[in-house]
Amino acid sequence: GDSVTQMEGPVTLSEEAFLTINCTYTATGYPSLFWYVQYPGEGLQLLLKATKADDKGSNKGFEATYRKETTSFHLEKGSVQVSDSAVYFCALNGRGYQKVTFGIGTKLQVIP
Amino acid sequence: DVKVTQSSRYLVKRTGEKVFLECVQDMDHENMFWYRQDPGLGLRLIYFSYDVKMKEKGDIPEGYSVSREKKERFSLILESASTNQTSMYLCASSEGPPTNEKLFFGSGTQLSVL
Repeated sequence: GDSVTQMEGPVTLSEEAFLTINCTYTATGYPSLFWYVQYPGEGLQLLLKATKADDKGSNKGFEATYRKETTSFHLEKGSVQVSDSAVYFCALNGRGYQKVTFGIGTKLQVIP
Repeated sequence: DVKVTQSSRYLVKRTGEKVFLECVQDMDHENMFWYRQDPGLGLRLIYFSYDVKMKEKGDIPEGYSVSREKKERFSLILESASTNQTSMYLCASSEGPPTNEKLFFGSGTQLSVL
């Protein structure tokens, strides 16, 4: 079945540092890929998505590129802020299915 | 603004009790989902519904049931709560296909079973 692999963390960075959170996936066909973010005390919200190979999703300074050859969708940000502290979930949705499969989530802590 | 509302933020129940978790969405979405979130395990799908009175088992349906009598409301039922069902429960909704890719989440219900 479909699966998503990401590191659990926590990842601790200083403000303005470069962020990479790795995500790899296993799926049949050509899934859509997502990053969701969960701020403390809240539900998840969509951060960005990509629906086909080589697409780049971007939002709020975050970027991720759909790499079919390496089955990866790594999240990056050039300069993190304290307000980016949250849990980040990589996810996929197989074509034609309503079910979304999530990774375990990576906790990011940004210190001033 | 779109909204998914879960009836309780925190809930404490006793082992063996029947527990109802309620979720309401105001977006006229066809699909609704129940996930549980546990440290080290991420989000796991319990049940989902793609239409009124329709339901499908997710990855971990054991010990749970669901009800969807109206389009906007999706209830999760723990028939006899057990301590291993202590968890954060998240409800979500999405539009019907083909634009069903974005999930909208509620804020979650932290359930403790003692």
